[in-house]
Amino acid sequence: ETGVTQTPRHLVMGMTNKKSLKCEQHLGHNAMYWYKQSAKKPLELMFVYSLEERVENNSVPSRFSPECPNSSHLFLHLHTLQPEDSALYLCASSQVPDRAAGYTFGSGTRLTVV
Amino acid sequence: AQSVTQLGSHVSVSEGALVLLRCNYSSSVPPYLFWYVQYPNQGLQLLLKYTTGATLVKRINGFEAEFKKSETSFHLTKPSAHMSDAAEYFCAVSDRSSNYKLTFGKGTLLTVNP
Repeated sequence: ETGVTQTPRHLVMGMTNKKSLKCEQHLGHNAMYWYKQSAKKPLELMFVYSLEERVENNSVPSRFSPECPNSSHLFLHLHTLQPEDSALYLCASSQVPDRAAGYTFGSGTRLTVV
Repeated sequence: AQSVTQLGSHVSVSEGALVLLRCNYSSSVPPYLFWYVQYPNQGLQLLLKYTTGATLVKRINGFEAEFKKSETSFHLTKPSAHMSDAAEYFCAVSDRSSNYKLTFGKGTLLTVNP
């Protein structure tokens, strides 16, 4: 496998469920990101793990919980979600401090909360 | 703080016509500029980028973008649109002030009519 792999590609969950999104990067990068992409809204950066530092967007509700056990794997744990959390969740990775490289994105997980 | 403005959330062109997607940025220090493309149900893919050197950046598929410091712009163009160019396009900027984290515009959806 190459690049950034996200699983599952699609997820439907009820508001009382607990599920996790998984992201794995095979690029040797040292930073990983979670983005939320909702219809007609800008990309929203949720969490950053970079050089063992975690940065989070303070507007992200606590029902989203990230985990980064190592530089290649990133999880987003979900519990008691709301219908407005339905969106495409994108994982990305980059090499810090390679300023010019940009990010490499996975194909995303399409989440539907019912 | 840096920001990106993409003028026009939706651009529609005929096949064979010129494509022009506008991007203006604000940055207090020299920026790195990126264009990403997103096809339906996919993640974002890096299309081209400006870091240093030549201000006109070209890609083999005909897309190009020119960094114009005086206009704080990085517009994306293609002389002749193809049906396969239909996608959403995101402009992004990074600089030292954000520790080189990317800030994305809201995206422009390009439709190509036969």
